[in-house]
Amino acid sequence: DQQVKQNSPSLSVQEGRISILNCDYTNSMFDYFLWYKKYPAEGPTFLISISSIKDKNEDGRFTVFLNKSAKHLSLHIVPSQPGDSAVYFCAAMTQGGSEKLVFGKGMKLTVNP
Amino acid sequence: GAGVSQTPSNKVTEKGKYVELRCDPISGHTALYWYRQSLGQGPEFLIYFQGTGAADDSGLPNDRFFAVRPEGSVSTLKIQRTERGDSAVYLCASSSRGTSGVDEQFFGPGTRLTVL
Repeated sequence: DQQVKQNSPSLSVQEGRISILNCDYTNSMFDYFLWYKKYPAEGPTFLISISSIKDKNEDGRFTVFLNKSAKHLSLHIVPSQPGDSAVYFCAAMTQGGSEKLVFGKGMKLTVNP
Repeated sequence: GAGVSQTPSNKVTEKGKYVELRCDPISGHTALYWYRQSLGQGPEFLIYFQGTGAADDSGLPNDRFFAVRPEGSVSTLKIQRTERGDSAVYLCASSSRGTSGVDEQFFGPGTRLTVL
């Protein structure tokens, strides 16, 4: 039973355009959401996060949007760069307790020069 | 400024054997997590340590899996009687778990375990 879902396994965009990565969740107890980026043979690297009390968080080229009623979040990357090519994981947690991360399956982003 | 390190980077073993995977967290980080990533999946939580104690081991799949962190820093994940289904990348993460806000979990590069 996947609590965090990334339904698209891959996305290909042109350099300079916007990349939009989507994520859905089912557990209403989740109150903090994160995006991680992963290159081959490396561990995931934190990218950006958002608390459930917000609907948007921006950091440079990266913006995360949260729609709590739809249990949906998205990561926007603009402009996309070839170095952004990686696997992106959406993750969720419940604050307090162990704060263990529940990950989606990931989505491979390819940014073409 | 070393990050999280994991050894070995690769481990090949035979079905039924015992293996130990080591994690060296970032110095001063009190929280340590183990995750397992199978092919085509996202990382799945195994166990969480706060200091020396396992505060949440709800993700361990069965009693063949055990982890320790005796001095509150280095942790070892131990798998007994390995099965082919244990083949995966085992990831370790650490965080400072401060008193306010959410602290980022920093991941190591993982140990790729292959059970033949």
